[in-house]
Amino acid sequence: ELKVEQNPLFLSMQEGKNYTIYCNYSTTSDRLYWYRQDPGKSLESLFVLLSNGAVKQEGRLMASLDTKARLSTLHITAAVHDLSATYFCAVNGGTSGSRLTFGEGTQLTVNP
Amino acid sequence: GAVVSQHPSWVICKSGTSVKIECRSLDFQATTMFWYRQFPKQSLMLMATSNEGSKATYEQGVEKDKFLINHASLTLSTLTVTSAHPEDSSFYICSAGGLVDYGYTFGSGTRLTVV
Repeated sequence: ELKVEQNPLFLSMQEGKNYTIYCNYSTTSDRLYWYRQDPGKSLESLFVLLSNGAVKQEGRLMASLDTKARLSTLHITAAVHDLSATYFCAVNGGTSGSRLTFGEGTQLTVNP
Repeated sequence: GAVVSQHPSWVICKSGTSVKIECRSLDFQATTMFWYRQFPKQSLMLMATSNEGSKATYEQGVEKDKFLINHASLTLSTLTVTSAHPEDSSFYICSAGGLVDYGYTFGSGTRLTVV
């Protein structure tokens, strides 16, 4: 059974600071996804990481994938209040096939 | 880009009644649709996977007679919560899955409150 673990689950940070969210998964996977969810809303796709060493950046967010370590990171640079949200990583593949398995989510609060 | 339209956005119903949630793929054909449930402050839990023209595959612990899924066409999948009870109150999200270019596209979600 594919398992996905995120840490930290809660993150409170000051504006302007940097931080990294980690996502570990248990078995070989085809792809890794990062999503953002605002309160009361559905998921917004941030990144799709397809291969080992993949790195993608959008604004203050950068995601990377190490398939050998089964680890993905979401790095936040110079955080701003608008980044406050819950961030999920999700993985498919292995015996789960096309079904996505989600991490627990990281609730990020950026304080002024 | 690929868009999945989900309706209604929110619904309040009385205990014992049934509620239907619709998800439509607007500019592509969704062979597979995933249905998730999300309780407050928790992650998404997959309820079932539906494929067009065949019976849905339910996850362990999900009552197939209570959560009826129909995927009769490539652009429409529905989830009907039958005989709803307060414990069914949750946020339900559909997702069209595994598109090569777009990955997974999520509907906007339906907030169900059973009173």
